[in-house]
Amino acid sequence: GESVGLHLPTLSVQEGDNSIINCAYSNSASDYFIWYKQESGKGPQFIIDIRSNMDKRQGQRVTVLLNKTVKHLSLQIAATQPGDSAVYFCAETGGNEKLTFGTGTRLTIIP
Amino acid sequence: DAGVIQSPRHEVTEMGQEVTLRCKPISGHDYLFWYRQTMMRGLELLIYFNNNVPIDDSGMPEDRFSAKMPNASFSTLKIQPSEPRDSAVYFCASSLRQGVTEAFFGQGTRLTVV
Repeated sequence: GESVGLHLPTLSVQEGDNSIINCAYSNSASDYFIWYKQESGKGPQFIIDIRSNMDKRQGQRVTVLLNKTVKHLSLQIAATQPGDSAVYFCAETGGNEKLTFGTGTRLTIIP
Repeated sequence: DAGVIQSPRHEVTEMGQEVTLRCKPISGHDYLFWYRQTMMRGLELLIYFNNNVPIDDSGMPEDRFSAKMPNASFSTLKIQPSEPRDSAVYFCASSLRQGVTEAFFGQGTRLTVV
């Protein structure tokens, strides 16, 4: 029979615009969250992390927001560039210490 | 440091053959992880080690899969016998401390079992 793969959410953004990628998590014991970027043919690459005692953290062109009340994490990328095109994963850990990955979001930057 | 190094980058093998994937973690990292990535299941944690000791292998799909870490700078993931459904990209990652620091990933091994 036909195999069905994961349906990756996709997001297309015009170059130079800002993008927001969202992630929901289910484990209320999670206390450390990471955003990874995966380009085609490469391994996931660390972008930014945040601990549960924070609700916002900023890096270079990226901001992560954490809302523990609704178990929601977001990654904002400012002034997007073609090199930002990739699949973005959120990952969480806590409690059992396992780093659990979400299904990912494919971001495409339109020149 | 060159980062996490995996070999081979690509492996094509026939069903029933033994496959061994290799990983060299970043020096000084206490944790090593093996992940599998497929279109069907995404990124799955197979097993992880702390100071060369396997801590959790609950993600290993079957007894055909085994992993070892004989020393702090080397780990292997072995599949024997291999099956077509094992075809995937296998990633090794290492971190200083699980749960409080990020894991650094290797480039992965793309395994195709025909």
